Amino acid sequence: DVKVTQSSRYLVKRTGEKVFLECVQDMDHENMFWYRQDPGLGLRLIYFSYDVKMKEKGDIPEGYSVSREKKERFSLILESASTNQTSMYLCASSLTGQPQHFGDGTRLSIL
Amino acid sequence: GEDVEQSLFLSVREGDSSVINCTYTDSSSTYLYWYKQEPGAGLQLLTYIFSNMDMKQDQRLTVLLNKKDKHLSLRIADTQTGDSAIYFCAESRLGSSYKLIFGSGTRLLVRP
Repeated sequence: DVKVTQSSRYLVKRTGEKVFLECVQDMDHENMFWYRQDPGLGLRLIYFSYDVKMKEKGDIPEGYSVSREKKERFSLILESASTNQTSMYLCASSLTGQPQHFGDGTRLSIL
Repeated sequence: GEDVEQSLFLSVREGDSSVINCTYTDSSSTYLYWYKQEPGAGLQLLTYIFSNMDMKQDQRLTVLLNKKDKHLSLRIADTQTGDSAIYFCAESRLGSSYKLIFGSGTRLLVRP
């Protein structure tokens, strides 16, 4: 079974902090994704990566950056956290042309 | 239009069948997916269908695709209380195989 692991289930940070969300997958998938989920808005793609050191902006990249130094790990970075980034963050991975598999999510609160 | 649309809420009695509907607008869809999200958890892939198929059955789940009307449905037979969750429809599109376009989700409540 595919395992996508997000480092934290719950995280509380303060406005202005630099925040790192980590995601690791164990199935040698080339594609990895970061989404945020907000009530009534469904899932929105922030960034994705199709190979090590490669990244593409999704639909809402503003205020975020990503890092993919190793194939199994994809990090989402909030350079200076703001209250409107309070959300549920979901990581996913896939082989190209195959379904995406999701982690359990990180519920992030910015105070 | 770029949207995938779903109704927000469905309530059924335990043992009945549930039908969750989804409409999409892009005719270049390649695969269509159903994901399930239980409270506080991530998304679990339930099933998916290639766009040249009409139907796919997997145990209690039946997916129907009407490509002409751009309508996708998920039928859950003998619905159980453990089926209570949010169900998301998603599509991938030709030329953009990395991205999934998600609906807003349908909350299914199963009453005892």
